[in-house]
Amino acid sequence: EDQVTQSPEALRLQEGESSSLNCSYTVSGLRGLFWYRQDPGKGPEFLFTLYSAGEEKEKERLKATLTKKESFLHITAPKPEDSATYLCAVIWGSGTYKYIFGTGTRLKVLA
Amino acid sequence: DADVTQTPRNRITKTGKRIMLECSQTKGHDRMYWYRQDPGLGLRLIYYSFDVKDINKGEISDGYSVSRQAQAKFSLSLESAIPNQTALYFCATSETVQETQYFGPGTRLLVL
Repeated sequence: EDQVTQSPEALRLQEGESSSLNCSYTVSGLRGLFWYRQDPGKGPEFLFTLYSAGEEKEKERLKATLTKKESFLHITAPKPEDSATYLCAVIWGSGTYKYIFGTGTRLKVLA
Repeated sequence: DADVTQTPRNRITKTGKRIMLECSQTKGHDRMYWYRQDPGLGLRLIYYSFDVKDINKGEISDGYSVSRQAQAKFSLSLESAIPNQTALYFCATSETVQETQYFGPGTRLLVL
């Protein structure tokens, strides 16, 4: 079954405590993996796109990496303003549109 | 001004009523999407449209219909609302090639 699974569901960090969020996928023919940030009551906001295994993208304290089975979102020295839900999504296959979101990781960074 | 707008932002309705949620975009994208978000279930695709003449069902289209009035406008209708359609609804757009999706602010719908 085509699936996208994110872990952990929730994560509490102290300010400055680095960690990683995981997005694993079981789809055939990955075309792209996306990371989004969602603040409460708002729409998801695009962070990164990764297209092939070994690819990495960075933005401020965030770094996304991709392997053949999973992606990691590394958060270095997080700040309270990094608190949000982080969603990953994958697009795969050809022909019929296939785009699926994971259920997200709720991150809380404590001052 | 926001690139993707949704109206209304909040709506309370009663079981059996027909309601319409509207989405407009100024990004010039051809592709538009409607999702619903429920706690613990994530974002689920209801309908999507790749251009004005193209409408496709998503994962959970039963009980919903859509209309693509123009490149910039995509409406979602609940023909006869029921309580389990209570959710947060998002419209999104994307470019044909890149597929990155840009989301509106959402509509919070409560069906009593």
